[in-house]
Amino acid sequence: SQTIHQWPATLVQPVGSPLSLECTVEGTSNPNLYWYRQAAGRGLQLLFYSVGIGQISSEVPQNLSASRPQDRQFILSSKKLLLSDSGFYLCAWSQGFTEAFFGQGTRLTVV
Amino acid sequence: EDQVTQSPEALRLQEGESSSLNCSYTVSGLRGLFWYRQDPGKGPEFLFTLYSAGEEKEKERLKATLTKKESFLHITAPKPEDSATYLCAVQAAYSGAGSYQLTFGKGTKLSVIP
Repeated sequence: SQTIHQWPATLVQPVGSPLSLECTVEGTSNPNLYWYRQAAGRGLQLLFYSVGIGQISSEVPQNLSASRPQDRQFILSSKKLLLSDSGFYLCAWSQGFTEAFFGQGTRLTVV
Repeated sequence: EDQVTQSPEALRLQEGESSSLNCSYTVSGLRGLFWYRQDPGKGPEFLFTLYSAGEEKEKERLKATLTKKESFLHITAPKPEDSATYLCAVQAAYSGAGSYQLTFGKGTKLSVIP
């Protein structure tokens, strides 16, 4: 069966510090991978998606970047965090045009 | 631009009191509509996929239906453990890599009181 791992679960970082969130998927190959952010009262916002290694598409201009160094690994990064980067970050995967399956999320608080 | 609107924003039900959640959508060609359940502090959990008007899916006390403009999530005789936020999302039938995207509504927070 397929599983998705996302870590850490919670993170408190000072403004201006770097960020690295990692997500890995097991039990499937060549998945589509996604990073979403969920802010209170605003729903899930798609940040990045990837249909293959090294292929990253960005949906929202921002202080964040994403990379896919391996088929089932997706990384969300920032060189310098802003207060507005606080939120609940979710990684997800799908196989083609099917439902997406989500990780358990990372609660990021920038202080 | 694809849009998904869910109503009501919050719903309180007595245990056993059946009701429905609404998801209205605007999309230029629907590839699929998805329902998720999300517990506080957790990632969304997949429930159903609906592809065409008239389709229905069931799982325990939940039943999802689809028309050309909206979807309903019917909850029959809910229990306290059904309390969660229910999210609706659509996938548009575009061409290219962008067609994999899901557009989410803001969700309906359901509370079932014992």
